[in-house]
Amino acid sequence: DAKTTQPTSMDCAEGRAANLPCNHSTISGNEYVYWYRQIHSQGPQYIIHGLKNNETNEMASLIITEDRKSSTLILPHATLRDTAVYYCIVRVAGESNYGQNFVFGPGTRLSVLP
Amino acid sequence: DAGVIQSPRHEVTEMGQEVTLRCKPISGHNSLFWYRQTMMRGLELLIYFNNNVPIDDSGMPEDRFSAKMPNASFSTLKIQPSEPRDSAVYFCASSFLLSGGETGELFFGEGSRLTVL
Repeated sequence: DAKTTQPTSMDCAEGRAANLPCNHSTISGNEYVYWYRQIHSQGPQYIIHGLKNNETNEMASLIITEDRKSSTLILPHATLRDTAVYYCIVRVAGESNYGQNFVFGPGTRLSVLP
Repeated sequence: DAGVIQSPRHEVTEMGQEVTLRCKPISGHNSLFWYRQTMMRGLELLIYFNNNVPIDDSGMPEDRFSAKMPNASFSTLKIQPSEPRDSAVYFCASSFLLSGGETGELFFGEGSRLTVL
């Protein structure tokens, strides 16, 4: 089961900031928050990830609340090509060094409108 | 960089036939994942490997599905016999697992679209 909750869909005007929320109220201290997106018919694409600090890269910014129970992905200037399904994922820590398990929920379908 | 390479991109087969999907991960990556995506169930993790060893195959639907990773540069997902409900897009992804369990990003292939008639 996915450990995150996201709105089913959102609209955003082209050129404006897109703010995509994610709730992960059961996140534990050593779990990271990852964001991926999937443009129609393509494989998912990594956007950004973080543990507790806010992160920024050339694609987006990730704001994580102090209690880490929620986060927001910000696309500062959305374009039509940003129309996609956005997935917020909490990585489940595994045993030993085998700490990988990415579980994708239904995500948020972002539509960037002209 | 070539990225994760999957083949075939599209496969149409008849019920009961054997299907083999192939994946070449990014060179140097030590973890490989197989996912299945359908409209009804979204993206489902089927199995993942670390250093060519299957770590978690709890997502494999049933015995008709099997996956192998004979070396670091090749993996297969086999369905035998195939059924119409297996129709989906199958994605392969790879990453590099760091010590302590942290991993970098998953790199996905373009997927193999399977249609079982």
